[in-house]
Amino acid sequence: GAVVSQHPSRVICKSGTSVKIECRSLDFQATTMFWYRQFPKQSLMLMATSNEGSKATYEQGVEKDKFLINHASLTLSTLTVTSAHPEDSSFYICSAKEGQAGNQPQHFGDGTRLSIL
Amino acid sequence: AQSVTQPDIHITVSEGASLELRCNYSYGATPYLFWYVQSPGQGLQLLLKYFSGDTLVQGIKGFEAEFKRSQSSFNLRKPSVHWSDAAEYFCAGSSGGYQKVTFGIGTKLQVIP
Repeated sequence: GAVVSQHPSRVICKSGTSVKIECRSLDFQATTMFWYRQFPKQSLMLMATSNEGSKATYEQGVEKDKFLINHASLTLSTLTVTSAHPEDSSFYICSAKEGQAGNQPQHFGDGTRLSIL
Repeated sequence: AQSVTQPDIHITVSEGASLELRCNYSYGATPYLFWYVQSPGQGLQLLLKYFSGDTLVQGIKGFEAEFKRSQSSFNLRKPSVHWSDAAEYFCAGSSGGYQKVTFGIGTKLQVIP
């Protein structure tokens, strides 16, 4: 149980393109989803917390207009990287929680490797 | 500040040998603690979690971890490592009622024949 599907797994596109990444909880309802960015050989950096039906909460230093997050249903959150540039190339990972409590673990998708040429 | 520290960035063990990955936490109260494993190019898989109660927690793939309040530690152990255990391991924590999880920097495990 607790499967999170992330799509696509890899994207290669030209600079200036907008890219949408989907995160779905397949067998549970995710009240909260998280979006992380992971640089090579580094830990996960939380970008934003997404609650169903409300605006995402962005971490300090993350551009809201650059990284658009939508959490329209209890099973789907999307991250759109707008007007992507080479510096946006990274590994993006989403996670989802079944409930609000802090003791609920996050379940992770398999990540999206984004490469901007 | 609330934090999770993994002192070892890289560890090499022989196949069949025992393994211990260190994790130290800094939280005001008893945190919720997790261990995740990440294979190259993939997301994170939950190995085990600790919330309260028995301080020795059993997880998947033969892993266990022990919560030691006196040492502020939550080390991950496995009695006999398999080549397939080679991966990156992340310790993570959160405080009660707070949804955000703080990840350690990760420990890369290499398994040699």
